[in-house]
Amino acid sequence: GIQVEQSPPDLILQEGANSTLRCNFSDSVNNLQWFHQNPWGQLINLFYIPSGTKQNGRLSATTVATERYSLLYISSSQTTDSGVYFCAVDHAGGTSYGKLTFGQGTILTVHP
Amino acid sequence: GAVVSQHPSRVICKSGTSVKIECRSLDFQATTMFWYRQFPKQSLMLMATSNEGSKATYEQGVEKDKFLINHASLTLSTLTVTSAHPEDSSFYICSVDSANTGELFFGEGSRLTVL
Repeated sequence: GIQVEQSPPDLILQEGANSTLRCNFSDSVNNLQWFHQNPWGQLINLFYIPSGTKQNGRLSATTVATERYSLLYISSSQTTDSGVYFCAVDHAGGTSYGKLTFGQGTILTVHP
Repeated sequence: GAVVSQHPSRVICKSGTSVKIECRSLDFQATTMFWYRQFPKQSLMLMATSNEGSKATYEQGVEKDKFLINHASLTLSTLTVTSAHPEDSSFYICSVDSANTGELFFGEGSRLTVL
């Protein structure tokens, strides 16, 4: 099956700092999503971005499908940004639409 | 995006009992729902695809007789963990593709602890 690798596995920041999270995937994808998992476990949709660039406030994401990677940028980080960030893809060669394969996540800790 | 609700959010049960988790799509009629499982400090893994009006399809290694899935209506799918054991303790979370684009929206999750 498709492999999804995220880096770094852990990231510690001071409030106000910027950061870049990376997601590499091993095969063509139909879709790619970035999620933030909050301390209660809920997955918050950040971006649905199979290709191109999107921005939402302090967050932006870029996916270069031909090179099989995606980047999530967090600017001016806040303590509320802490949590686990997941990248997940829907394999283009898969047998069913909408089945996501998740990376292992990046654990972000933002200190005040 | 779709609003997806799960119940219960937390459940503790004794070993050998069965537990039912509900997943409701509140604003969208979902012919398909997806059930994922997350063990502590790990990533999410797809368990099964729930299909309205037909049998669920299970991922390799997931026991269909242990994890019973029923999708009797377009807004409700249930996951029943039968004869639960401590190793079944996990976070179970469901999702829907509200726009048939492949973008999934997730419920709040249900944390199961089996004593």
